Amino acid sequence: AQSVTQPDIHITVSEGASLELRCNYSYGATPYLFWYVQSPGQGLQLLLKYFSGDTLVQGIKGFEAEFKRSQSSFNLRKPSVHWSDAAEYFCAVEGFGNEKLTFGTGTRLTIIP
Amino acid sequence: GAVVSQHPSWVICKSGTSVKIECRSLDFQATTMFWYRQFPKQSLMLMATSNEGSKATYEQGVEKDKFLINHASLTLSTLTVTSAHPEDSSFYICSARELAGVVYEQYFGPGTRLTVT
Repeated sequence: AQSVTQPDIHITVSEGASLELRCNYSYGATPYLFWYVQSPGQGLQLLLKYFSGDTLVQGIKGFEAEFKRSQSSFNLRKPSVHWSDAAEYFCAVEGFGNEKLTFGTGTRLTIIP
Repeated sequence: GAVVSQHPSWVICKSGTSVKIECRSLDFQATTMFWYRQFPKQSLMLMATSNEGSKATYEQGVEKDKFLINHASLTLSTLTVTSAHPEDSSFYICSARELAGVVYEQYFGPGTRLTVT
């Protein structure tokens, strides 16, 4: 079975500082990996995804993530956060041929001025 | 991009009544839609997979007689919470699957906040 771990429940970052949100997955083969963002009371918006190929993927809003097979990780990064980035971030995994997404528990990002 | 809508965005109902939530794919056809439930400050838990023209597939622990799912067309899936109780209060989110290149991608609706009094 596939699973996702997001070790950080809550992260606080100063505006303009860099950001890295951690995500570790468990799956027997190469998974499909996603990062979503959720603002309060809203649905999920896809930031980026990895299926194959280049392990560094670029997403919307200046986010990027790197797939590291050796570490079973897919960490999300942003070089300089903006106050509007404050939200809940979810990492998700989908196994090949298994259409279901499994979500991590989420990381709440707070931005301080 | 692909857009998924949900209606209503929030609903309050009395205990014992039923409430229906609609999920629509606005600019694409979706043979498969998903229903999730999210408790406050928690992750999304998949409730069921809704397939157009066939019965929904429920996840373990989800009562199929309580959460009725109908996917009557390629753009509409409905979730009916029957005989609602306060513990059914939650945020319900649907998603619709579309082929993006060679793989499928899920597009999420904005969610429906259900409060049962």
